[in-house]
Amino acid sequence: SQQGEEDPQALSIQEGENATMNCSYKTSINNLQWYRQNSGRGLVHLILIRSNEREKHSGRLRVTLDTSKKSSSLLITASRAADTASYFCAPLNSGNTPLVFGKGTRLSVIA
Amino acid sequence: DTAVSQTPKYLVTQMGNDKSIKCEQNLGHDTMYWYKQDSKKFLKIMFSYNNKELIINETVPNRFSPKSPDKAHLNLHINSLELGDSAVYFCASSLRTSNYGYTFGSGTRLTVV
Repeated sequence: SQQGEEDPQALSIQEGENATMNCSYKTSINNLQWYRQNSGRGLVHLILIRSNEREKHSGRLRVTLDTSKKSSSLLITASRAADTASYFCAPLNSGNTPLVFGKGTRLSVIA
Repeated sequence: DTAVSQTPKYLVTQMGNDKSIKCEQNLGHDTMYWYKQDSKKFLKIMFSYNNKELIINETVPNRFSPKSPDKAHLNLHINSLELGDSAVYFCASSLRTSNYGYTFGSGTRLTVV
């Protein structure tokens, strides 16, 4: 699979604000996944959006996908200090190739 | 019950030694992976394996080898350890036909001295 490029590299916001992270990729995908990594822990799968979907919600998370622009965004609403983590996107070309991760976006939510 | 478990959690060893990291998953997944995360937090795929196919990242030195005794286990063997092997190693698993993403273990921090 190809690597997604997350933007910005780092983001610092106040608790209660919304956080938006973007992901760009280069070639057609089957689906795109977002993961969170808390410091010193393994990645946790947050949400998967298929190539034929444009938007998906899960709790305070909202993911959009624009296949014409080859980009996705992750919005975290009403952020909490516990949302402080690194966030990674992973575009998947096919089920037979492993996910490749970029450098992620480091989100800091200040209480 | 831990879904993907790795042992040990920490491993400190001398250069030149051979070591293994074990990984087990109880999710019934058919594919397992090893990733290496360096000090800059960059996560790199090392191996992908199911009972039919091993995909190796060609940049991984052949001192690293995966061993899978059964579908629930994928161990990582490292021969002749070098200082540059110091990193956090993550095991993960998935069901190839599903859309539920990967489940990661909590990582093994390897320090080579």
